[in-house]
Amino acid sequence: SQQGEEDPQALSIQEGENATMNCSYKTSINNLQWYRQNSGRGLVHLILIRSNEREKHSGRLRVTLDTSKKSSSLLITASRAADTASYFCATGSYNQGGKLIFGQGTELSVKP
Amino acid sequence: GAGVSQSPSNKVTEKGKDVELRCDPISGHTALYWYRQSLGQGLEFLIYFQGNSAPDKSGLPSDRFSAERTGGSVSTLTIQRTQQEDSAVYLCASNLEINTGELFFGEGSRLTVL
Repeated sequence: SQQGEEDPQALSIQEGENATMNCSYKTSINNLQWYRQNSGRGLVHLILIRSNEREKHSGRLRVTLDTSKKSSSLLITASRAADTASYFCATGSYNQGGKLIFGQGTELSVKP
Repeated sequence: GAGVSQSPSNKVTEKGKDVELRCDPISGHTALYWYRQSLGQGLEFLIYFQGNSAPDKSGLPSDRFSAERTGGSVSTLTIQRTQQEDSAVYLCASNLEINTGELFFGEGSRLTVL
């Protein structure tokens, strides 16, 4: 079964609003990453947060990690139409070997 | 090249035929990964390589699937006797070494089995 589960599966907002996506996972991790995928394209790495970190920022992105709840959230502030894409969380841990386990993704639609 | 390159970008084949998908990782990246993505779904792990060896083949769906990597660079994913359920986008990714963080993905190879 997938390590990461995202919520919601789909999210539709207006430009300028904030978008929040959540990810839950099952086992202990070393790091959690968020990726973005535009339709028909490969995935692009957005941000990585390590298990000993609680919050990280990158531009309009804010990621939080709560290891006690085994959950993470990705916040995109002041969204733009160009943010329309699918967003995936992925977990890495030494007991998974080298592989990242991806969730099912959240499909974000930002309407102009 | 600057990024991960995959070929072909699109492949249509008939049920029962064999297909080969190729991945050329970023130069110097020792770790290489194959994932499969069915329509509207997340990524399903298939196999990863550290150098030329594959420590984890657990995600390969059946013995019709195999992968190799030679010279620590190019990798080939082979699907024998393709079935309709093999239709998906096959994504390749690389990074400097395993457990070092972000993966760099190619654009994928879209396989359609008729």
